[in-house]
Formats: sequence, C-alpha cells, structure tokens
Amino acid sequence: SQELEQSPQSLIVQEGKNLTINCTSSKTLYGLYWYKQKYGEGLIFLMMLQKGGEEKSHEKITAKLDEKKQQSSLHITASQPSHAGIYLCGADSNTGNQFYFGTGTSLTVIP
Amino acid sequence: NAGVTQTPKFQVLKTGQSMTLQCAQDMNHNSMYWYRQDPGMGLRLIYYSASEGTTDKGEVPNGYNVSRLNKREFSLRLESAAPSQTSVYFCASSTWGLLNIQYFGAGTRLSVL
Repeated sequence: SQELEQSPQSLIVQEGKNLTINCTSSKTLYGLYWYKQKYGEGLIFLMMLQKGGEEKSHEKITAKLDEKKQQSSLHITASQPSHAGIYLCGADSNTGNQFYFGTGTSLTVIP
Repeated sequence: NAGVTQTPKFQVLKTGQSMTLQCAQDMNHNSMYWYRQDPGMGLRLIYYSASEGTTDKGEVPNGYNVSRLNKREFSLRLESAAPSQTSVYFCASSTWGLLNIQYFGAGTRLSVL
C-alpha cells in the first residue's frame, strides 16, 4: 500500500513567520494532493501536483513536487491566523482506484 | 450549492447497535468515498464507489458495508457497532479520471460506548 509520511506532526508559529510542511512517499507519486481541514470541519482541496519538479502557488501557499516524485512540500509565507488547521497530503494509488492520505500536520498560528 | 451532505452530524451508539450513515452529493460526480479519521492516523479509506453500481473495499473495510443507492447517494452501514469504530467519518465525491479532486462533507462524529 501507499504510505505517506508527513512532518512535522504539529507546528506552532508566530503570525508573519514562514513555515514548511513535508510529505514523503514510499513509492513514486502519480498525483499528489494537498488539503486543508479546519478544526471540526471537512477537508478542502488546495492544490494538486503531477509532474516531477512541478510547483504551484495560491495566494501565500506554494506546493512543490520533487524531481523523483516521492516528496512534496507545502510552504506558507507570512502566516496568518486564517492559515491555522490541519494540512493533509493525499495520493492516488499507483495500482488503481484507491486513495491514501498522510497523517496530517496540525498548524497553529499565534497572533 | 450544498456539495456533499452527510447525516447525522453526531451519533452515540451502544456496542452491538447498528446504524447507517447517509451521504448525498449534488455535483453529478461519478465516484464517492467513505473515510474514517482517527487521531494520529490521518484519513483511511473504508470503501469507495468508482461509479454508480460498483463498490470496492478500501484500506479498512472490516465491520462496514456500503450501498451506492444511485449516482447521488452512498451510504455506510455499521451492522454491529464496536468501540473501535468510534471515529469521525467523512464522505467525499469526485469526478475521478486524471484529476481526482475530492470534495468532502462536514463529517459524522460517532461514539460507540
């Protein structure tokens, strides 16, 4: 099965600081998805990466997929309290229809 | 625009009781999913339905059954609830294909005593 390991498990940062969350796969990634979950709510799609070396940005959040397609990072610039929540990476199974999520990174932004 | 709707939002069961979690989507998506979320374990796929009329086991299917009632609705049934099934359950839907962007419901918080 696909295994996605996220680090760190939790992060507490001061508002305005930059931060990075990592997602490492045991197998080659064919589609890597980043989701955000506000506490007590469902997941919201952020970005999806497919190609090695690909980078996408939305507002102050940038996601990258490495050339070997086994590691992705999510970088938040000048963090705000609205960025707080749980960030999860997810990936399609390379064998078919299943989907796997990482264990999540809990982000707290202190005003 | 409702998206993915799950009912109920909260439920408390006694060990051995049965219940069905309901999920409906109004985005005309082909694929639907049931996940459970437990502390420190992320989301794990229980069952999925790639298209109307098909269902397949995910990573943790034991103790659950599903029904894809029609294109809109996908239900999850616990026949004999156990404390180990205490969790937050999420339903999701997607168009599937090259871009498997999933849209999630708000979740059902289930406690089995």
